[in-house]
Amino acid sequence: DTAVSQTPKYLVTQMGNDKSIKCEQNLGHDTMYWYKQDSKKFLKIMFSYNNKELIINETVPNRFSPKSPDKAHLNLHINSLELGDSAVYFCASSPRRREIKANYGYTFGSGTRLTVV
Amino acid sequence: AQSVTQLDSQVPVFEEAPVELRCNYSSSVSVYLFWYVQYPNQGLQLLLKYLSGSTLVESINGFEAEFNKSQTSFHLRKPSVHISDTAEYFCAVSSLGSYQLTFGKGTKLSVIP
Repeated sequence: DTAVSQTPKYLVTQMGNDKSIKCEQNLGHDTMYWYKQDSKKFLKIMFSYNNKELIINETVPNRFSPKSPDKAHLNLHINSLELGDSAVYFCASSPRRREIKANYGYTFGSGTRLTVV
Repeated sequence: AQSVTQLDSQVPVFEEAPVELRCNYSSSVSVYLFWYVQYPNQGLQLLLKYLSGSTLVESINGFEAEFNKSQTSFHLRKPSVHISDTAEYFCAVSSLGSYQLTFGKGTKLSVIP
């Protein structure tokens, strides 16, 4: 009954490899996000999709490409991994913005710890 | 543009003592405010939130926060902390009309036995 699930939880890979992180939410939310948490615990948004449409695309290297096959899934593909990509990546989701109700909020997955060696 | 400032990066406090974690935000429009907690090696859990209505909001584990529009603050308080409250606490803001949730840099709360 996990609300936002990410796989894998840990990912260790070599520089130059291509890897993907998957995210799925079963909350019926319209909007999904990817955040990066660096070694100093700072959380920064990378991308956001609303009903499969890209709405936020922060300054992120184009080696990072999000893909949303449907509104319940938002995957993150990373090409040519670099040492600086090592971080914890969090997926999140939220309900539609036009209707702010008492249950409005952002639900986060448990994170994927990516280590590039 | 929206931003959040958490004034203290680390707050050590003795068990059963009160604590306040400070958060100030900046936005030109109405905001929604959140506090998240991250226990060691875990994900982010929503602690409490302000959307509208009463400016004082409470969590189930004894934390409370008060939205102060004039001071653009949303400080987190607990009258008596436990060892289990040791964690990283993040304040976050989302402005009216924006999908983006912007986080502060976090405050590490260390409860000392």
